[in-house]
Amino acid sequence: GENVGLHLPTLSVQEGDNSIINCAYSNSASDYFIWYKQESGKGPQFIIDIRSNMDKRQGQRVTVLLNKTVKHLSLQIAATQPGDSAVYFCAETRSSNYKLTFGKGTLLTVNP
Amino acid sequence: NAGVTQTPKFQVLKTGQSMTLQCAQDMNHNSMYWYRQDPGMGLRLIYYSASEGTTDKGEVPNGYNVSRLNKREFSLRLESAAPSQTSVYFCASSLVLSYEQYFGPGTRLTVT
Repeated sequence: GENVGLHLPTLSVQEGDNSIINCAYSNSASDYFIWYKQESGKGPQFIIDIRSNMDKRQGQRVTVLLNKTVKHLSLQIAATQPGDSAVYFCAETRSSNYKLTFGKGTLLTVNP
Repeated sequence: NAGVTQTPKFQVLKTGQSMTLQCAQDMNHNSMYWYRQDPGMGLRLIYYSASEGTTDKGEVPNGYNVSRLNKREFSLRLESAAPSQTSVYFCASSLVLSYEQYFGPGTRLTVT
């Protein structure tokens, strides 16, 4: 079946560096993509989303890039901080419904 | 505001036992959801309630039932627990059917 997956299960960066978390999706009908952050022992927290008619969207210290040609999504975190350490999930959906399909997640560890 | 609250935080059941997981939100949201999260995997939707008085199946509904008690509360019931239902369960809510969902802290359930 169609699914959303991640290239890298773990990522370790130095504090202050930029982080890039990647995600591949296979459902060409998906037109909404979302990134969630999950800290240890907590529920996921919405970070940022992007529609399929956009290539890039920026938030506070985060940027999401969408490449529909290769069905690839990435989350860039600028000046990574220890508080950014968490598991990051990409999710996809269609704007015709609300049902999210989550990827397996990438564990980001920020070293001081 | 407490946001989304879940009880209990932890539970151990024997195979065949039943239990109800409780969820409440104080954000006046219309839609509520139940997910399960298994190790190394993303979240999978069990059931959702678009609005008070309605419930629908998600991706993995077998072995579960839900009740939308009122606008604030959405419960998940396991009638006869099985080891395959060992998981972390998350409740979420959103203003309307939306990908921007607010999650509770989760219930860690073990079935032996």
